[in-house]
Amino acid sequence: AIQLTQSPSSLSASVGDRVTITCRASQGISSALAWYQQKPGKAPKLLIYDASSLESGVPSRFSGSGSGTDFTLTISSLQPEDFATYYCQQFNSYPPLTFGGGTKVEIK
Amino acid sequence: QVQLVQSGAEVKKPGASVKVSCKASGYTFTGYYMHWVRQAPGQGLEWMGRINPNSGGTNYAQKFQGRVTMTRDTSISTAYMELSRLRSDDTAVYYCAREMIFGVVIISYWGQGTLVTVSS
Repeated sequence: AIQLTQSPSSLSASVGDRVTITCRASQGISSALAWYQQKPGKAPKLLIYDASSLESGVPSRFSGSGSGTDFTLTISSLQPEDFATYYCQQFNSYPPLTFGGGTKVEIK
Repeated sequence: QVQLVQSGAEVKKPGASVKVSCKASGYTFTGYYMHWVRQAPGQGLEWMGRINPNSGGTNYAQKFQGRVTMTRDTSISTAYMELSRLRSDDTAVYYCAREMIFGVVIISYWGQGTLVTVSS
C-alpha cells in the first residue's frame, strides 16, 4: 500500500500568515492526490483534487502543487475559519485508499 | 443536492456487531461507488472499503477482511456497513462517502458520521 507522510503534524500560525503543508508519497502517484479540510465534529471537506485543481466554492487562497511523490498545500493568507486539520489522500493505486496522518493548524 | 444521511449513534459490547446505514439522495444511487471511512477519537482517517451500488461488488481494506460486510438496497438508495466481532479499538466515527466521478476516488460528499462506541 502507498503510504503518505504529512509534515508538520501540527503548526501554529497567525491570521494573515502564509502556511505550507507537505505530503510525501512512498512511491510515485502522478497527480492523483487530494486535500481535505476537517473541523472538529465535522466530516472532511474536499479542497483540492488532481494535486492542483481547486474544488468549486473553495477560496482561491488555497492552492496545491506537486506530482510524483512530493506535494504541497498552501494557504496564502490564513483566515480565522482556516484553523482545522488537513489531510492528503492518494487515489493513484487502490485498494487500499490511503490518507496522510493529518496536519493540525492552530492559532498562534 | 447530494445528501448522505447516516443512522444514529450506537453503543455496543465487545464481540457484538454493528450495522450503519447511509441513505443517499439527490443523485442516481447506482452511478457512484460508496466508500466507508472511519476515524477513531483524536486520530486520522482510515479507509475501510467500498461498494459498487450497481453490481453490489465490494473491495475491503485488508485490515477489515473477514469482519466487514458492505451491502446496499437500491430500492431505497441506502448503503450499509456491518462490522462484526467488535473490539474497543473499533470505537470511532464511521462515515459513508461518495466519489466525485465513478471509479475515481476523490471524495466529494460525506455523510454526517455515525459514532460507534464499543464498551463493556
